[in-house]
Amino acid sequence: GENVEQHPSTLSVQEGDSAVIKCTYSDSASNYFPWYKQELGKRPQLIIDIRSNVGEKKDQRIAVTLNKTAKHFSLHITETQPEDSAVYFCAARGVTDSWGKLQFGAGTQVVVTP
Amino acid sequence: DTGVSQNPRHKITKRGQNVTFRCDPISEHNRLYWYRQTLGQGPEFLTYFQNEAQLEKSRLLSDRFSAERPKGSFSTLEIQRTEQGDSAMYLCASSFSDRITNTGELFFGEGSRLTVL
Repeated sequence: GENVEQHPSTLSVQEGDSAVIKCTYSDSASNYFPWYKQELGKRPQLIIDIRSNVGEKKDQRIAVTLNKTAKHFSLHITETQPEDSAVYFCAARGVTDSWGKLQFGAGTQVVVTP
Repeated sequence: DTGVSQNPRHKITKRGQNVTFRCDPISEHNRLYWYRQTLGQGPEFLTYFQNEAQLEKSRLLSDRFSAERPKGSFSTLEIQRTEQGDSAMYLCASSFSDRITNTGELFFGEGSRLTVL
């Protein structure tokens, strides 16, 4: 089955700097890669996603890039703000799986210091 | 209805007891998922329903676990003879999918935290 690895496990950045989180996946047929943000004690919430027919997607200060050849995808947050502090999870969906059956990475704790 | 709701939010039980969690999905969503999340890890898929049909169960779901969605609306997850290793956050999520619309977006609930003593 699909296996997703996520790095780093913790990331501390100064407010205004950029943050980058990287994930690798094992199943070359995976075709959907969402990113979820989970604040302390809250539910995971989708912040951005990308499908395998696209190489990059942006939404304001966040962007995701996908390299299918290398089987990795990354989340980029620019101009970080204190409210960006949270745990971020990457995930991947295998091509034969239900759209909601995701394999998640272990998460990255992002701390934005003022 | 503004989101997925789960209850109870917290459950502390003794080893060997049975527990049941309930999930009420977003009303127009036809798919409902159960995930388990342990400290420092991402959610792990357990099972999912399309309407009232349980279409897939993970190998993580031992025989002590059973899930139902009797009328295609709310769902229950029961754990029998709980073990300390069952301690985790149990997350429910829902989504809408049909032949035209296939979206991967899962809407998660706040979760039900289980502590087995």
